[in-house]
Amino acid sequence: ETGVTQTPRHLVMGMTNKKSLKCEQHLGHNAMYWYKQSAKKPLELMFVYNFKEQTENNSVPSRFSPECPNSSHLFLHLHTLQPEDSALYLCASSQGGGTGRSILFGQGTRLTVV
Amino acid sequence: TQLLEQSPQFLSIQEGENLTVYCNSSSVFSSLQWYRQEPGEGPVLLVTVVTGGEVKKLKRLTFQFGDARKDSSLHITAAQPGDTGLYLCAARKTGTASKLTFGTGTRLQVTL
Repeated sequence: ETGVTQTPRHLVMGMTNKKSLKCEQHLGHNAMYWYKQSAKKPLELMFVYNFKEQTENNSVPSRFSPECPNSSHLFLHLHTLQPEDSALYLCASSQGGGTGRSILFGQGTRLTVV
Repeated sequence: TQLLEQSPQFLSIQEGENLTVYCNSSSVFSSLQWYRQEPGEGPVLLVTVVTGGEVKKLKRLTFQFGDARKDSSLHITAAQPGDTGLYLCAARKTGTASKLTFGTGTRLQVTL
């Protein structure tokens, strides 16, 4: 348990469904991240939020829509996904400042698109 | 173009053996981190190195950052089944404070 909690842990959804992934941390961190981990590919950064403001969108398709209502919560809204979007989606958080800043990950949501 | 290449990709060894995992790049990094990820879980940070030539030890694990800050190695002595997992290196380039780039990963299995 790292202090970053993701729900649900597993999700199966159809291509026409709309679902949301939730992440929360009460560590006082001011940066939150979404990463995608697919088989045989390195972890891919999707979005970065600093103090609730999106500071990075790594060319992610619009069918993924992030939301950060406050520094402790982060959502990833999903709609009309494709089977190739099946992956482990990881949320992470960090305290800002310094090049040695470490990132703490949640346990991930295993998403399967059918 | 893959920024961080790890080798080997897969490694299966017996308990008690030693091993070394490598993380290489042509880029210079301001810091580098090693993570271990177990099935169904998120990556867990093992160590952060920031100085060229730096060596850090964590029990049976020894981490080294290359002198030029382009590469790193992880050496495990007397591996145990509990060391099984996916080992990931991750690094930040100078000037990119928020973007952490991950390596391709090394999947280690330690059997009895």
